[in-house]
Amino acid sequence: DGGITQSPKYLFRKEGQNVTLSCEQNLNHDAMYWYRQDPGQGLRLIYYSQIVNDFQKGDIAEGYSVSREKKESFPLTVTSAQKNPTAFYLCASERGGPTNEKLFFGSGTQLSVL
Amino acid sequence: AQSVTQLGSHVSVSEGALVLLRCNYSSSVPPYLFWYVQYPNQGLQLLLKYTTGATLVKGINGFEAEFKKSETSFHLTKPSAHMSDAAEYFCAVRTTGGFKTIFGAGTRLFVKA
Repeated sequence: DGGITQSPKYLFRKEGQNVTLSCEQNLNHDAMYWYRQDPGQGLRLIYYSQIVNDFQKGDIAEGYSVSREKKESFPLTVTSAQKNPTAFYLCASERGGPTNEKLFFGSGTQLSVL
Repeated sequence: AQSVTQLGSHVSVSEGALVLLRCNYSSSVPPYLFWYVQYPNQGLQLLLKYTTGATLVKGINGFEAEFKKSETSFHLTKPSAHMSDAAEYFCAVRTTGGFKTIFGAGTRLFVKA
């Protein structure tokens, strides 16, 4: 079955450490997104990519970095510059383009600070 | 700029009662509107969406929503709540031609037996 796979499900970060969250999709979607979810704040967009080798900052990109070397993969790195990284991170994808398509979501990664 | 406001961070209903989750949006151009549902520790899944045409939209699990342009609202309803409806619900907006989906803060629905 096609879908989006996020790993790991739980991740712990030590102070000063960079950590990378994985997101892989086999839906042949062009567009991929990273959202951060905090209780009571909904989903906030971190980065998005409309096509391979191209990505744009979302509303809260500071302290995060991404790459899009393959259509299927859109990893997110939480750097040591992100001072409050504890949150639930969601990856999403869609067919692409400015359309009315729905977003397909992975099952998320819960990141916590040790 | 677009924005979404969901009235009530928590809503509690009895099993069999009407479910009403409120959503108001702000958009300078005709929007696409969505309702997503999230079960604990999972991603979001689409309940329904409005793009163009009929303003009353039917979704999965018996939910429906009505787009009211004059009120800039897109409230979600279900005639009879079931225990399995307990989850968090997100209203979202996207402009035609836009690349970003903007989400509301979410409403957690509790269903009492």
